[in-house]
Amino acid sequence: QKEVEQNSGPLSVPEGAIASLNCTYSDRGSQSFFWYRQYSGKSPELIMFIYSNGDKEDGRFTAQLNKASQYVSLLIRDSQPSDSATYLCAVENSGNTPLVFGKGTRLSVIA
Amino acid sequence: DAGITQSPRHKVTETGTPVTLRCHQTENHRYMYWYRQDPGHGLRLIHYSYGVKDTDKGEVSDGYSVSRSKTEDFLLTLESATSSQTSVYFCAISDTRQGGKAQYFGPGTRLTVT
Repeated sequence: QKEVEQNSGPLSVPEGAIASLNCTYSDRGSQSFFWYRQYSGKSPELIMFIYSNGDKEDGRFTAQLNKASQYVSLLIRDSQPSDSATYLCAVENSGNTPLVFGKGTRLSVIA
Repeated sequence: DAGITQSPRHKVTETGTPVTLRCHQTENHRYMYWYRQDPGHGLRLIHYSYGVKDTDKGEVSDGYSVSRSKTEDFLLTLESATSSQTSVYFCAISDTRQGGKAQYFGPGTRLTVT
């Protein structure tokens, strides 16, 4: 079973701080990595994807990938209360298979 | 918005009755998926489709069947609903036109089996 692991949280950070969300995966052949945000009672929304080692920045969000360590992270700079949500990591494993999702990390940004 | 709708959005049904949920997309995507989401379990794949009449099982397919007779519609049927199937059901599509497998989700259906 190819797994994606996330700390369930809750992760609490003060407003304006950097929130760091982490994800590890078991399939060394994984190729693509996705971060979703899910507000309570809503559907998951794609916010970032990354395919290559290193950092990818989009506004206040930075995705970081380290394939050697099988580790992907999402940094949220200048966190806002509106960032409070559950963040899901998803991985495209080797072979023509659907994405595998982690169970998500709940983030709470305290004003 | 990836042009995905789900119906019904809410349903209450009794144990033992069949239930069909519908996912409809307007952008001709080849891949469609059905997930359920429960506290403590995250998103779990039920079935998916990679084309008309082409479907495959996910990790929690027991008690569920699917059909895809048209590109735009993917139906999920609970053959005989049980209380353990009370959940939120999400449909998703993959937009592979940009070379990746990013999935986009519909608004969800909240199903309660009494």
